[in-house]
Amino acid sequence: GESVGLHLPTLSVQEGDNSIINCAYSNSASDYFIWYKQESGKGPQFIIDIRSNMDKRQGQRVTVLLNKTVKHLSLQIAATQPGDSAVYFCAENTGTASKLTFGTGTRLQVTL
Amino acid sequence: NAGVTQTPKFQVLKTGQSMTLQCAQDMNHEYMSWYRQDPGMGLRLIHYSVGAGITDQGEVPNGYNVSRSTTEDFPLRLLSAAPSQTSVYFCASSYGVGSTGNTIYFGEGSWLTVV
Repeated sequence: GESVGLHLPTLSVQEGDNSIINCAYSNSASDYFIWYKQESGKGPQFIIDIRSNMDKRQGQRVTVLLNKTVKHLSLQIAATQPGDSAVYFCAENTGTASKLTFGTGTRLQVTL
Repeated sequence: NAGVTQTPKFQVLKTGQSMTLQCAQDMNHEYMSWYRQDPGMGLRLIHYSVGAGITDQGEVPNGYNVSRSTTEDFPLRLLSAAPSQTSVYFCASSYGVGSTGNTIYFGEGSWLTVV
């Protein structure tokens, strides 16, 4: 699994701008990837997912990009809003349901 | 629509005490799991289950037991609590094997402090 750190990287974005949150994964056998949003004091909330046979998937205001060559995942949030402020985690799954390996997380701060 | 329900929300234990964290889901999901989250870190898998009567270990199983007698419930037992088990615990469930459309849902968390 991925190593985790004690200090979350922070991304500060102005309201209305686009946000890009990056994640590197370690297991080349992972075939399913998920982005979660976690607000303070709450459980992770599903945002968007993507299978390894896809490069891109779009949702409402969010896009996930997958680059299997370099084992990199990114989450793009369009027109970032104050309500988007949270910690964002990527997670990878190697096929066994509910058995996820989480990344370190990135804190997104939206400034007015 | 309750989703994944965890109890208790908060608990303080003394070292050596045992307790059970409850998890229930009303979505008829086959797959359930328990994670712990330590400050500033991602979630780490403790135990998981792919169906009633079937459980397996995750990344950090030591000090915890689970059972899955019904599809709905997946309790996590701390056998003899230690300060290192102070953490936030999350239960999760999903309908099938992870893939687009089989969303993995998390409960709201159980904050456990061992003194």
